[in-house]
Amino acid sequence: DGGITQSPKYLFRKEGQNVTLSCEQNLNHDAMYWYRQDPGQGLRLIYYSQIVNDFQKGDIAEGYSVSREKKESFPLTVTSAQKNPTAFYLCASSMWGQNHEQYFGPGTRLTVT
Amino acid sequence: SQQGEEDPQALSIQEGENATMNCSYKTSINNLQWYRQNSGRGLVHLILIRSNEREKHSGRLRVTLDTSKKSSSLLITASRAADTASYFCATDGPMDSSYKLIFGSGTRLLVRP
Repeated sequence: DGGITQSPKYLFRKEGQNVTLSCEQNLNHDAMYWYRQDPGQGLRLIYYSQIVNDFQKGDIAEGYSVSREKKESFPLTVTSAQKNPTAFYLCASSMWGQNHEQYFGPGTRLTVT
Repeated sequence: SQQGEEDPQALSIQEGENATMNCSYKTSINNLQWYRQNSGRGLVHLILIRSNEREKHSGRLRVTLDTSKKSSSLLITASRAADTASYFCATDGPMDSSYKLIFGSGTRLLVRP
């Protein structure tokens, strides 16, 4: 059963704590992405990775960090430097190159109080 | 940077009616994609139209692309209550070799039974 998984579905943290969101795919995709979605808004790109051991900043990378040690995994750490971390976080993967659709995970809703 | 902008922001129709959503974008594109998101879930790819195509069909979906006007429309025919969701357009541009997608802010569709 191929797909992309994110865990946990809901996450609660106290302000000042770092938190890591998991994203795993078994679609053999080279590219992976992290997006942030705020209520009633579209998706904004945080980080993306075209290949293992390489990643690039998206439009809103400040306060976030990622790693890509394995093709299947692209975890996102929300650090205490992120000023407004409460949001819905979506991970996606795709084949690399033109004209490819992205496959999305179910998302993680992070609440920081 | 926001590339696609959907119109209207929200749409409410009766089951059985057609729903039309529009997307406008600013720069040249390789392709334009439409995605659907049920409340609190990940996005699901609906259809991809390339810059050299003018119209595509998939089941009850019809997408048009007018590159001279930098706009696209998504038509859902004979709508059902299950079509209630948010719909997003996304583009990637020929000037951007990273093949990133830029998402619009979405149209929220409510289909009343």
